[in-house]
Amino acid sequence: GDSVTQMEGPVTLSEEAFLTINCTYTATGYPSLFWYVQYPGEGLQLLLKATKADDKGSNKGFEATYRKETTSFHLEKGSVQVSDSAVYFCALENRDDKIIFGKGTRLHILP
Amino acid sequence: DAGVTQSPTHLIKTRGQHVTLRCSPISGHKSVSWYQQVLGQGPQFIFQYYEKEERGRGNFPDRFSARQFPNYSSELNVNALLLGDSALYLCASSAKSPSYNEQFFGPGTRLTVL
Repeated sequence: GDSVTQMEGPVTLSEEAFLTINCTYTATGYPSLFWYVQYPGEGLQLLLKATKADDKGSNKGFEATYRKETTSFHLEKGSVQVSDSAVYFCALENRDDKIIFGKGTRLHILP
Repeated sequence: DAGVTQSPTHLIKTRGQHVTLRCSPISGHKSVSWYQQVLGQGPQFIFQYYEKEERGRGNFPDRFSARQFPNYSSELNVNALLLGDSALYLCASSAKSPSYNEQFFGPGTRLTVL
């Protein structure tokens, strides 16, 4: 079945470091891809999305490119801040219009 | 505008009991989806409702049921609670279905089953 695999955390970085969180997916057809973020004590928020191959989603300095050939949607940010500490979920919407989430990656940014 | 609201915020039940969780979507949104998020895992899809009709069901037992009301609010019911039902239950609303339209998540109801 359809699935999302993302790198396990926690990931701990110093402020201003470069961030990559890997995400790969398995799905039939051409799913839409998403990154959600969950800040401590808050609900899920859509961070960015891409709906077709080679699309780049971006928001708040984060970027991810839909790579069909490698079935990947890695999240990147050039310079992280303490306020970026959160849990990040990679997700896809499959042909049945269901959103399937990865297990999440906890990110800690040290000042 | 208010976001998606859920009640209660926290709930403690014992095995065998039943529970009802409530969700109010963003004004104007007609689709509501329910997810279960077990600690340390990503959310798992339970149900989707649109215009008061069930449009999708995840791989959950029949102990889980839901409904949507004329005002588009929704209830999730779980009967015969098991310890494994302890989780954060998330509700999300979107403007339309079945095609994806951005889902906005509520803060969740944390259910603990003892």
